[in-house]
Amino acid sequence: AQTVTQSQPEMSVQEAETVTLSCTYDTSESNYYLFWYKQPPSRQMILVIRQEAYKQQNATENRFSVNFQKAAKSFSLKISDSQLGDTAMYFCAFMKQGGSEKLVFGKGTKLTVNP
Amino acid sequence: NAGVTQTPKFRILKIGQSMTLQCTQDMNHNYMYWYRQDPGMGLKLIYYSVGAGITDKGEVPNGYNVSRSTTEDFPLRLELAAPSQTSVYFCASSPGNQNEKLFFGSGTQLSVL
Repeated sequence: AQTVTQSQPEMSVQEAETVTLSCTYDTSESNYYLFWYKQPPSRQMILVIRQEAYKQQNATENRFSVNFQKAAKSFSLKISDSQLGDTAMYFCAFMKQGGSEKLVFGKGTKLTVNP
Repeated sequence: NAGVTQTPKFRILKIGQSMTLQCTQDMNHNYMYWYRQDPGMGLKLIYYSVGAGITDKGEVPNGYNVSRSTTEDFPLRLELAAPSQTSVYFCASSPGNQNEKLFFGSGTQLSVL
């Protein structure tokens, strides 16, 4: 079974600064996908970024980028130029390739962006 | 496009009562899922379905039942509600064509008192 660990229950950052959220995972699978989801107070689950394990290049989406270290089973999220609207819970998630696309989630990191 | 629609948004149940959480999607997705999110925790998979007539257990299926008679609908049934089922419930869907992107509903906040 796969497990996802987020070791930072809460983090805070000043507006316009950069913050990195950590995620590690455990799996014996070779082919898989990793995700970061954002959950604002509205409760909606919003996909932030996605990484295919077979790609060495780190995924980037505007101010969001990841540092994917496959050998270390690490998948951190970097948020640059933090904005007040980035305040939310952030969940790291794992999906086995070809496995009915089921997601395994970490416990989340609560990020607060301060003005 | 409505996407994934869940009803109700909020519900309070008494211990021992039963109810059905409704989920419907209008994207013709093959795969559908039910997750629960307990306070301070990530989402855990309750049940999933890869097509009409096919359902399977996830990580935490006890106390729940599902059915998938149509592609669009995937209701979750709670029998004999218990305080441990107090949670936020999310329904999600995916095309199931290795797209790997799940579309989530807005969630149902359920309290069992």
